[in-house]
Amino acid sequence: AQSVTQLDSQVPVFEEAPVELRCNYSSSVSVYLFWYVQYPNQGLQLLLKYLSGSTLVKGINGFEAEFNKSQTSFHLRKPSVHISDTAEYFCAVSDQGGADGLTFGKGTHLIIQP
Amino acid sequence: NAGVMQNPRHLVRRRGQEARLRCSPVKGHSHVYWYRQLPEEGLKFMVYLQKENIIDESGMPKERFSAEFPKEGPSILRIQQVVRGDSAAYFCASSPLLTGGTEGYTFGSGTRLTVV
Repeated sequence: AQSVTQLDSQVPVFEEAPVELRCNYSSSVSVYLFWYVQYPNQGLQLLLKYLSGSTLVKGINGFEAEFNKSQTSFHLRKPSVHISDTAEYFCAVSDQGGADGLTFGKGTHLIIQP
Repeated sequence: NAGVMQNPRHLVRRRGQEARLRCSPVKGHSHVYWYRQLPEEGLKFMVYLQKENIIDESGMPKERFSAEFPKEGPSILRIQQVVRGDSAAYFCASSPLLTGGTEGYTFGSGTRLTVV
């Protein structure tokens, strides 16, 4: 079984400032890692994923994340945020062994202040 | 755009009624997953289905909830005798055959169930 911890429920950031959303996971097996974004009243959209290889993963909308196996972390970063980035961000893991669905964190609400 | 289609987008039911939520996966995807999102919570896995088979229903409440994915037609999540605590957003996701978690999952826009 896996678990995901997103330490911050809300992160307020000024526009054009950098941001980091934290995600830690625990698992007894190898996992795939994902970040999803949910805009108000919409479904989830995949931002990026880590499957293997380079630990720095680049995604859509200028986001990137770094997989750190020793710290079991997969923090999401963006160097300069925009008002349009205001949304809920979810970190998720899945078992590499099979299609058993995703385990999600509780989400981080990114609030961009003008 | 052949994404995951969920309907209805919003559903209001009185306590004791039945709720039926529909999900049409991406064309060619034969794996369907249902998740529930309670207010201020992340998404919780409910059930994983393939065509005509329930593969994993470990996240489904034991009573009142059922799911199916027939050979033809959409996947259905059915909630009988709804209670206020069932109010939530229900999301469906699909993935292609045999890719496991490598593709991520394509999510629908969800059905927001309100029980009054």
